[in-house]
Amino acid sequence: DAGVIQSPRHEVTEMGQEVTLRCKPISGHNSLFWYRQTMMRGLELLIYFNNNVPIDDSGMPEDRFSAKMPNASFSTLKIQPSEPRDSAVYFCASSLDRGNEQFFGPGTRLTVL
Amino acid sequence: KNEVEQSPQNLTAQEGEFITINCSYSVGISALHWLQQHPGGGIVSLFMLSSGKKKHGRLIATINIQEKHSSLHITASHPRDSAVYICAVSRGAQKLVFGQGTRLTINP
Repeated sequence: DAGVIQSPRHEVTEMGQEVTLRCKPISGHNSLFWYRQTMMRGLELLIYFNNNVPIDDSGMPEDRFSAKMPNASFSTLKIQPSEPRDSAVYFCASSLDRGNEQFFGPGTRLTVL
Repeated sequence: KNEVEQSPQNLTAQEGEFITINCSYSVGISALHWLQQHPGGGIVSLFMLSSGKKKHGRLIATINIQEKHSSLHITASHPRDSAVYICAVSRGAQKLVFGQGTRLTINP
């Protein structure tokens, strides 16, 4: 298995632009997580899905952030409009069933100028 | 006070030394996770445990539920063990709460 796939790996954009991050979970996994990592705050959960349904989005910083999971093999995290403080590494992870080990993607390093 | 506290924040040791990283948490949990993040940035799950001890190669993880404490041990440490080690806890559902990480450097 290829593991969790994220794209792009690096994204540099200007303030105000829309940014879309993509994630393909491991085939057969039914839970998907979006995390953000910054130097100041470390790793934080933004949102997670179970069977394509958002379960907990309390970590989504504000309305500029939205996430979707239209099917079991694809999820997006969108930031519109982006701001410099959104600069971070965004990780996607997936797991099989509740409470099991999570497998992380390689991350997307986002820089908003 | 953070829900998950790790110590030390930074640790430098010589190759071959026995390493211990500690994690304390303040709430009831369903499981505790140890993750490894290499300088390249990738995150790998090392252990998930809810009681007792687990061992994988030179890595050992223990947890004491009553004391709300876990330790990660590395025996015969090697420079390739240099990484950030992150403790995280989950409660009921799958939401993970992370410690701030311990940066480990093993010198040859």
